[in-house]
Amino acid sequence: DAGVTQSPTHLIKTRGQQVTLRCSPKSGHDTVSWYQQALGQGPQFIFQYYEEEERQRGNFPDRFSGHQFPNYSSELNVNALLLGDSALYLCASSRGPHKEGYNSPLHFGNGTRLTVT
Amino acid sequence: DQQVKQNSPSLSVQEGRISILNCDYTNSMFDYFLWYKKYPAEGPTFLISISSIKDKNEDGRFTVFLNKSAKHLSLHIVPSQPGDSAVYFCAARRNSGNTPLVFGKGTRLSVIA
Repeated sequence: DAGVTQSPTHLIKTRGQQVTLRCSPKSGHDTVSWYQQALGQGPQFIFQYYEEEERQRGNFPDRFSGHQFPNYSSELNVNALLLGDSALYLCASSRGPHKEGYNSPLHFGNGTRLTVT
Repeated sequence: DQQVKQNSPSLSVQEGRISILNCDYTNSMFDYFLWYKKYPAEGPTFLISISSIKDKNEDGRFTVFLNKSAKHLSLHIVPSQPGDSAVYFCAARRNSGNTPLVFGKGTRLSVIA
């Protein structure tokens, strides 16, 4: 049973560039959430996707956008990269509302380490 | 404003002894609490949770205690093992709907053999 998979594992970008990170949820899960973990901090919620729509959003600027595909996989896009965007980006999956087990804990992937120089 | 606080950045414990990790929260709407463990180069892994209708939940060597009046929870690991060395994150959310988790900054536990 494949868990949450993320790609790439590491990425180095220059200020001002754009980046796309990818996530495949755990089998049986249809909801994907993205978190940013800066050095020395806990994960911070960016947004959540369910049924191909952004359902909830944390306190992140519009430079952060996402997408969910019909197969439930998801992308996180960050435009106009800043040095402060350097962080570990974590994808987590869960079951959507009204589904059995939807209150179960989130399952996280191993993350993508983004370095902005 | 941090809604979930883990005030101890690190903790060292001898193998076989008890590890106690603490967490405080400020948002009284939180009613579901979780602990995640994170090894380097891996994502957080769910460890144990507790609903606000309980004050204790136990799973093997791990026990979580919740004191709602103090807005405080703690994770007890007994006995501690070297493999427990990791960063432990406390997280909270409102259980109504699929609300996002709010995490603390984590506590790095080192279990010394």
